[in-house]
Amino acid sequence: AQSVAQPEDQVNVAEGNPLTVKCTYSVSGNPYLFWYVQYPNRGLQFLLKYITGDNLVKGSYGFEAEFNKSQTSFHLKKPSALVSDSALYFCAVRDSAGNMLTFGGGTRLMVKP
Amino acid sequence: DAGITQSPRHKVTETGTPVTLRCHQTENHRYMYWYRQDPGHGLRLIHYSYGVKDTDKGEVSDGYSVSRSKTEDFLLTLESATSSQTSVYFCAISESISPGAQETQYFGPGTRLLVL
Repeated sequence: AQSVAQPEDQVNVAEGNPLTVKCTYSVSGNPYLFWYVQYPNRGLQFLLKYITGDNLVKGSYGFEAEFNKSQTSFHLKKPSALVSDSALYFCAVRDSAGNMLTFGGGTRLMVKP
Repeated sequence: DAGITQSPRHKVTETGTPVTLRCHQTENHRYMYWYRQDPGHGLRLIHYSYGVKDTDKGEVSDGYSVSRSKTEDFLLTLESATSSQTSVYFCAISESISPGAQETQYFGPGTRLLVL
């Protein structure tokens, strides 16, 4: 069975500093990996995805993620955090055989001025 | 929210009563999904649909049923609500052509359900 782990319940970063939100996964076959962001009282918004190709994926709002096959990781990064980036972030994985998307438990990002 | 609406947005109900949540899309996407979101669990798939009248179970389907009589509507029914079904429910859509397709899922705004 496929699974996703987000080891940090919360990440605290000062505005202007780089941020990383961690994600590791387990899946049979090739993984399709996704990051979503959720603002308070809103649905999930798609940020970026990795399907194949370049290991560094660029997405919305200046976010990027790095796929590392040997470490089975797909960490979300941003060079300079904004207070408005404060939200709940979810990593998700789908295997190549079906449409079932499995989510991690989420990481709350707090960016302080 | 990608042309997806959910109704109602908030509902309070009592244990043992039936509840139906509606998801409506204007994107004409083939696939529709129902998830529940609970603290520490992320989102878990309840049921999904791959076409009109075609549905299948997800990870946490017990106590839930679904129906899809039109491409644009996907209904989630709690036949007899329990307190453990208090949650936030999200609908999602995607335009997958075949299993394993790479299409992204897009989410609705959610329905907050409280079962007393």
